Amino acid sequence: QKEVEQDPGPLSVPEGAIVSLNCTYSNSAFQYFMWYRQYSRKGPELLMYTYSSGNKEDGRFTAQVDKSSKYISLFIRDSQPSDSATYLCAMSETGNQFYFGTGTSLTVIP
Amino acid sequence: NAGVTQTPKFQVLKTGQSMTLQCAQDMNHEYMSWYRQDPGMGLRLIHYSVGAGITDQGEVPNGYNVSRSTTEDFPLRLLSAAPSQTSVYFCAARGGFSGANVLTFGAGSRLTVL
Repeated sequence: QKEVEQDPGPLSVPEGAIVSLNCTYSNSAFQYFMWYRQYSRKGPELLMYTYSSGNKEDGRFTAQVDKSSKYISLFIRDSQPSDSATYLCAMSETGNQFYFGTGTSLTVIP
Repeated sequence: NAGVTQTPKFQVLKTGQSMTLQCAQDMNHEYMSWYRQDPGMGLRLIHYSVGAGITDQGEVPNGYNVSRSTTEDFPLRLLSAAPSQTSVYFCAARGGFSGANVLTFGAGSRLTVL
């Protein structure tokens, strides 16, 4: 069983839609949770960071962590064509070893 | 402030050749790491270092060597390249977000082994 599971998609939505991206994990000791955005042929860039459980909002992006269900989500409101990218979830127990999902490919259609 | 810099961006090797992927950071972060990214596999940790002189293995260390003589540099060595090592390699340093445990990545090095 993989440490982190993520639906690879691809996901295609119209501009302005709300996008929901999700990951599940097996290690209950994970306490650092991140979402990265990766454009084609570029390095991943940090989008959201959450420590332990709860919600975090930054502009159009909201990250949620439900440790009881071992489930994390990223919501994108009012999606834009510039949001078209691959979204990677990542998590870590101690900050030394990070485990990534396989990524979800998102296309926002104008 | 360049962050994490990787060289080369592209490289083609023949089976059995050796090479070194370079990684440098100017953020003064103690922790650095190497990942490989393959379709359907996501990012997988190869090796990491928590400071100069200290390295440890990640999930897929076989076929790769690392050393850390300075805080700034963390090179990844392939001693005898194999086609299975064809991949995109990313170097990452931990920090850069108010000290939080997050990774800052380089732009990647695309390696093809024939």
